[in-house]
Amino acid sequence: EPEVTQTPSHQVTQMGQEVILRCVPISNHLYFYWYRQILGQKVEFLVSFYNNEISEKSEIFDDQFSVERPDGSNFTLKIRSTKLEDSAMYFCASSEGKWQNTEAFFGQGTRLTVV
Amino acid sequence: GQQLNQSPQSMFIQEGEDVSMNCTSSSIFNTWLWYKQDPGEGPVLLIALYKAGELTSNGRLTAQFGITRKDSFLNISASIPSDVGIYFCAGQLKGGSEKLVFGKGTKLTVNP
Repeated sequence: EPEVTQTPSHQVTQMGQEVILRCVPISNHLYFYWYRQILGQKVEFLVSFYNNEISEKSEIFDDQFSVERPDGSNFTLKIRSTKLEDSAMYFCASSEGKWQNTEAFFGQGTRLTVV
Repeated sequence: GQQLNQSPQSMFIQEGEDVSMNCTSSSIFNTWLWYKQDPGEGPVLLIALYKAGELTSNGRLTAQFGITRKDSFLNISASIPSDVGIYFCAGQLKGGSEKLVFGKGTKLTVNP
């Protein structure tokens, strides 16, 4: 069964360093998303991406964050200068369509720990 | 407004019992999804609801989309130990937003 895959599964980084989280969405999906989940809290939307551009972003997704689809299969989230409060599980998701009769499938997540 | 109020926060049940959890909001949703999350894993889609009043089953799971599009419930019948996990409701708001708004989750513990 097709699935969203994310690498690495766990990333530890020093405060102020840049990190890139990688995702391979399901191959025929057109919409891509990043969500994060701080330990013990609910899943929060960060950004959606379609047709090689950001289509929606939340207030969490500030100038320190960027997304890119560098080739036909990968979708990345970059955090330029990590802060302690960026520590969380980051989930990539993808869907065939935008809304109505579409379902978002999530990857297994990358646990980011900023020290 | 965009909050999804999910209850209960946690449940402790005996194997074989039925379980019910629900989510409510003051906002109207186009789509309502129920996910299960195991520790250290990503949310796994259980049931998707698209029409007001829709009742959908997936094995021992049954979910309904409220007629007002502001609420949903998930029932699990005859629970088994592998049902343990955190169950999240998530909705896509009416009005064209692509993002999913998640509830805070219901942590289910099943005692054998």
